Amino acid sequence: ETGVTQTPRHLVMGMTNKKSLKCEQHLGHNAMYWYKQSAKKPLELMFVYNFKEQTENNSVPSRFSPECPNSSHLFLHLHTLQPEDSALYLCASSQSRNSYEQYFGPGTRLTVT
Amino acid sequence: SQQGEEDPQALSIQEGENATMNCSYKTSINNLQWYRQNSGRGLVHLILIRSNEREKHSGRLRVTLDTSKKSSSLLITASRAADTASYFCATDASPKAAGNKLTFGGGTRVLVKP
Repeated sequence: ETGVTQTPRHLVMGMTNKKSLKCEQHLGHNAMYWYKQSAKKPLELMFVYNFKEQTENNSVPSRFSPECPNSSHLFLHLHTLQPEDSALYLCASSQSRNSYEQYFGPGTRLTVT
Repeated sequence: SQQGEEDPQALSIQEGENATMNCSYKTSINNLQWYRQNSGRGLVHLILIRSNEREKHSGRLRVTLDTSKKSSSLLITASRAADTASYFCATDASPKAAGNKLTFGGGTRVLVKP
């Protein structure tokens, strides 16, 4: 276990549904991240939060809405997704903003039907 | 194209052999990191090498960094079946105040046969 948990581990949703992914880290880190991992594509950074403030939005469509209520929790709210959004969504945290390794959760396997 | 690219894309070796994979990148970096991912799972950090370091060891892992060639290599010695996984390099080229943004390569899939 890396100290980063994600729920749910698997999610199937229709294109009109609204769902949320949850990430929690128990490491006392200050920065949290959302990544998308699709088949045959490199891992893509989506959002970065540092001390609860969003510091990076990597041109992510607005149908993905992140929320970071505190340094330990990170959510990704999903609505009106497309089938091409099906992927493994990974959450990570790190000790501070610069030059530290990131600790990843196990991911949520999302399927959009 | 992506910052980090691994070579080879796939590698199959016998248990006990060494596995070497390479990573090339395009811009100046603060550090380069290697991660392992077992099928469909999260990534596990293996080793971080800073831009002013040339070589680093951790157990059976040896990482080199050549900033003049913008390349790094990961060597796994005396491989085990449990080393079967995908290995990714990730570069951190963020400006100092901008946050820890990692750019990942496409990965090398390693199969260690018993």
